[in-house]
Amino acid sequence: AQTVTQSQPEMSVQEAETVTLSCTYDTSENNYYLFWYKQPPSRQMILVIRQEAYKQQNATENRFSVNFQKAAKSFSLKISDSQLGDTAMYFCAFMRGGNQFYFGTGTSLTVIP
Amino acid sequence: DTAVSQTPKYLVTQMGNDKSIKCEQNLGHDTMYWYKQDSKKFLKIMFSYNNKELIINETVPNRFSPKSPDKAHLNLHINSLELGDSAVYFCASQPAGLGGNTIYFGEGSWLTVV
Repeated sequence: AQTVTQSQPEMSVQEAETVTLSCTYDTSENNYYLFWYKQPPSRQMILVIRQEAYKQQNATENRFSVNFQKAAKSFSLKISDSQLGDTAMYFCAFMRGGNQFYFGTGTSLTVIP
Repeated sequence: DTAVSQTPKYLVTQMGNDKSIKCEQNLGHDTMYWYKQDSKKFLKIMFSYNNKELIINETVPNRFSPKSPDKAHLNLHINSLELGDSAVYFCASQPAGLGGNTIYFGEGSWLTVV
């Protein structure tokens, strides 16, 4: 079975600072995909960033970047220059087989002004 | 233009009632999902349909019955509602093709059972 673990239930960061959210996963697959989703208080699920396991280069999307360590099965999200609008739940997700999608338990991030 | 739309967005109902939540996507995707998010924010897959066929059916009480009349629609019917069914239910869709395509969520349907 695939599992996704987010060991930090809550985190906080000062505005304009950098924060890293952790995610580990367990799989025997070699080809898979990893995602970070953001869920603000409105509960809308918003894709933040995506990483293909076969790519060694870490994905980046503006202020968001990942540190993908395939051997360690680790997929952390770094948010640079944190903004108040970044306050949200962040979910790490794993996908294999086209439609086998699994989410972690989430990290609640608060950006402090 | 909403890509994945769910109705109703809010639903308050009494225990024992039967209710449905509708989902439609206008993205032309082949795969659709239902997820349940409880009060602790755990997001758990319930069902997955690919081109109207059931692909994933996680351990969900048989009071929950998905129905997909066509690949653009996946409705969720819940019989004999219980207090523990209170949650936010998300519909999502995913395009066909090689893996890596992300899933697109609706805005969620907030179900409260009283």
